[in-house]
Amino acid sequence: GAVVSQHPSRVICKSGTSVKIECRSLDFQATTMFWYRQFPKQSLMLMATSNEGSKATYEQGVEKDKFLINHASLTLSTLTVTSAHPEDSSFYICSATTPKNIQYFGAGTRLSVL
Amino acid sequence: QQQVKQSPQSLIVQKGGISIINCAYENTAFDYFPWYQQFPGKGPALLIAIRPDVSEKKEGRFTISFNKSAKQFSLHIMDSQPGDSATYFCAARVKRGAQKLVFGQGTRLTINP
Repeated sequence: GAVVSQHPSRVICKSGTSVKIECRSLDFQATTMFWYRQFPKQSLMLMATSNEGSKATYEQGVEKDKFLINHASLTLSTLTVTSAHPEDSSFYICSATTPKNIQYFGAGTRLSVL
Repeated sequence: QQQVKQSPQSLIVQKGGISIINCAYENTAFDYFPWYQQFPGKGPALLIAIRPDVSEKKEGRFTISFNKSAKQFSLHIMDSQPGDSATYFCAARVKRGAQKLVFGQGTRLTINP
């Protein structure tokens, strides 16, 4: 299957700082990338849909100023958690859609805000 | 309404047995039904998928059965192994727009040796 790389795998930061998470499609061009959040023992919650060269579309209830998404190229999307607080601690996962519209996921990023 | 209901929430199967996980959806706005396997601390990995014009798809020990009229689909894992212990998510892809995935609630599968 296609490879999606997500970095970093784990980040610990102080409250009030910003954290950037990168998502790359390594062997295909992804016109669409998705960002999810997952709480322990729960399903994936879609946060936003990211398209190259255009503004991200956020799901209802997701603060766009808190979770900044940039889809700079067909292989890279970034999620920046701004002014992070302990309640932002979670597992964040990206996915990228192949030209055949199949979603492959990154390995996830565990964010811990102290 | 775009929802996918998955059951059971957790499942324990003896090694060598058959694991069965069920999903049901409520509307016809979906065109593709993948199953993902997730290990703790990792992202979901695509396991197997089916389109609604097919009633069954088999890949190795994994089989999807699809009942279009009942709006149900299920994952069967034959000869279940301890290494299959993971959380499994069914999903349905929305036909239009960004073609988002709608996920089931997940099933935590434990295979006892």
